[in-house]
Formats: sequence, structure tokens, C-alpha cells
Amino acid sequence: DTGVSQNPRHKITKRGQNVTFRCDPISEHNRLYWYRQTLGQGPEFLTYFQNEAQLEKSRLLSDRFSAERPKGSFSTLEIQRTEQGDSAMYLCASSLQGSATEAFFGQGTRLTVV
Amino acid sequence: AQRVTQPEKLLSVFKGAPVELKCNYSYSGSPELFWYVQYSRQRLQLLLRHISRESIKGFTADLNKGETSFHLKKPFAQEEDSAMYYCALRGNNRLAFGKGNQVVVIP
Repeated sequence: DTGVSQNPRHKITKRGQNVTFRCDPISEHNRLYWYRQTLGQGPEFLTYFQNEAQLEKSRLLSDRFSAERPKGSFSTLEIQRTEQGDSAMYLCASSLQGSATEAFFGQGTRLTVV
Repeated sequence: AQRVTQPEKLLSVFKGAPVELKCNYSYSGSPELFWYVQYSRQRLQLLLRHISRESIKGFTADLNKGETSFHLKKPFAQEEDSAMYYCALRGNNRLAFGKGNQVVVIP
């Protein structure tokens, strides 16, 4: 599968623990997005990168959340001191820069905080 | 701010019947509208975009700026159309999604 890859696919963690997710975008895509999806909702934007620069962060992204894309390739999303409300599907997408370009999504990482 | 509204949550239709999924949007700029689909146990994928004005898998969607709508239509539903459908608007370099429609096609 040469599409967007996310690891792990599932993560169960205890409240208060830190978790880190990884996203490997399609190789030539310079834009990378993180979304969160909870039950019964559509994906909600968290943040996006153009190359290694994080250009925008949603208000949904609290101080406990941090995302990086150090070399403009893969990205990590870390959640510190997880809370039960963080339980969700975390989706990564990548695209080329430009209008009307398609965003390709990964399979997502399902986080369950117990 | 950009907002996408999909009013119905669940739509059940018989095979061969028409399908219409409603999508309304709110955005101050020039919108780019998309429909994404998620089949069971698969990733979210693009179905069609308004700029292409094409039919994909028998689905079409027309952007109506006057009514701020981008409804998805298919004249004859097939069983393989059972999936979650999300309307999305691209503005400010991000996609804003509606809550989605669960479509169930009854054989």
C-alpha cells in the first residue's frame, strides 16, 4: 500500500499517560493534515504542515497536543496527560499544494483512553 | 468560518431507487466542495469534487451558490453504495466536513 500510512492502528492507554502517533504521507506530498473524528461526527481539523512548517493549529488542539514534521516527511502527533475525552480516531491526510488538490487519508489511529 | 451541514444521519433506500444526500455550506470565500466516501473498514476517500463536474460511480453533485448547496445524487442505488458519505468544503487550506450520512441500500 503506497498510500498514507498511520501507526499504530489502535492504542489503548490509561488516563494521564502520553501517547504518540505517526503518519507517513505519500512521498511527494508537501502538505500533511491531522484530523480527529469522534463517534457520529465528521473529521475535525487539528493542524496542518507545509513541508516541515506547521502553518495552522485549530483551537481544538490544546496545549497537551503537539505535532511535528521535522524533515518534511513523516509527522508525529503527541498527546500528553491523556484524558478520556481524547478518545477518538486520529486521521492523517496528505496532499500536494494547490487548489482543488485531493487529500488522501490514512486508515487512522483509534485511541481509547481508559 | 466555514461550516458544512448534512441534515440526515441515516438514509435507507431500496436497490434501484434514487439517492439524494443533502449538503449545505456556509463560507464567505469562493468554496471548493467535495464528497468523500468511507466504505466499511476502508479509509476515507474522495468520491467527487465540484470543480471536475464529473460523474463517479453514477453519482453527481452540482454546486448551487445561490442556495449554498452541493447535494449528491444517484438515480439508481446499488448495494455497493452502502457507506458513509461526507460532504467537505475546502477553505483556508483545510477541509471542513459535515457529520456524514450513513447510506444503507436494501437488496
